Amino acid sequence: QKEVEQDPGPLSVPEGAIVSLNCTYSNSAFQYFMWYRQYSRKGPELLMYTYSSGNKEDGRFTAQVDKSSKYISLFIRDSQPSDSATYLCAMKEGFSGGYNKLIFGAGTRLAVHP
Amino acid sequence: SAVISQKPSRDICQRGTSLTIQCQVDSQVTMMFWYRQQPGQSLTLIATANQGSEATYESGFVIDKFPISRPNLTFSTLTVSNMSPEDSSIYLCSVVSGGNEKLFFGSGTQLSVL
Repeated sequence: QKEVEQDPGPLSVPEGAIVSLNCTYSNSAFQYFMWYRQYSRKGPELLMYTYSSGNKEDGRFTAQVDKSSKYISLFIRDSQPSDSATYLCAMKEGFSGGYNKLIFGAGTRLAVHP
Repeated sequence: SAVISQKPSRDICQRGTSLTIQCQVDSQVTMMFWYRQQPGQSLTLIATANQGSEATYESGFVIDKFPISRPNLTFSTLTVSNMSPEDSSIYLCSVVSGGNEKLFFGSGTQLSVL
């Protein structure tokens, strides 16, 4: 079983839809949770960053972390064609005296059509 | 966030040859990382490159195949040696900036080996 599971999609939605992207994980020591957006032929771009449980909102984007269920989500409201990209979840353990590497999901490909 | 320049952006190489990928950061950073991104798979950490010390390789990656240099706090190179078609992938340079948890990526090198 992979440490981080993410449905690869593709996910196709009409413009203006609410998009829900999700990841599950198995390591209860994960404390930091991130979402990256990757456009074709570009490097991943940090989109959202959350520590521990709870919600974080940034414009049309909301990140949720449910540590009890080992489940994280990214919601995109009023989706736009420019949101078409691959979304990667990533997470890592809390500080333990050294650098803990990020563990990535495989990414979900999202297409928003006009 | 750090601005990371990576080159070449893409290359097509012959089997048995080597390719060196360069990564330049616009600020001094302690930790630099090299990742591989294969289609449909999670980002995989190849090695961590710290200035003034040997790179630390992850399981499954060895120095003879992926030698890394880190001559100063703003620059690193990754060489993919004695290439085979299985090395065809995207290679990404990344750095930690703005806090231990936040990882930023270059635009990547798309490598195809014939």
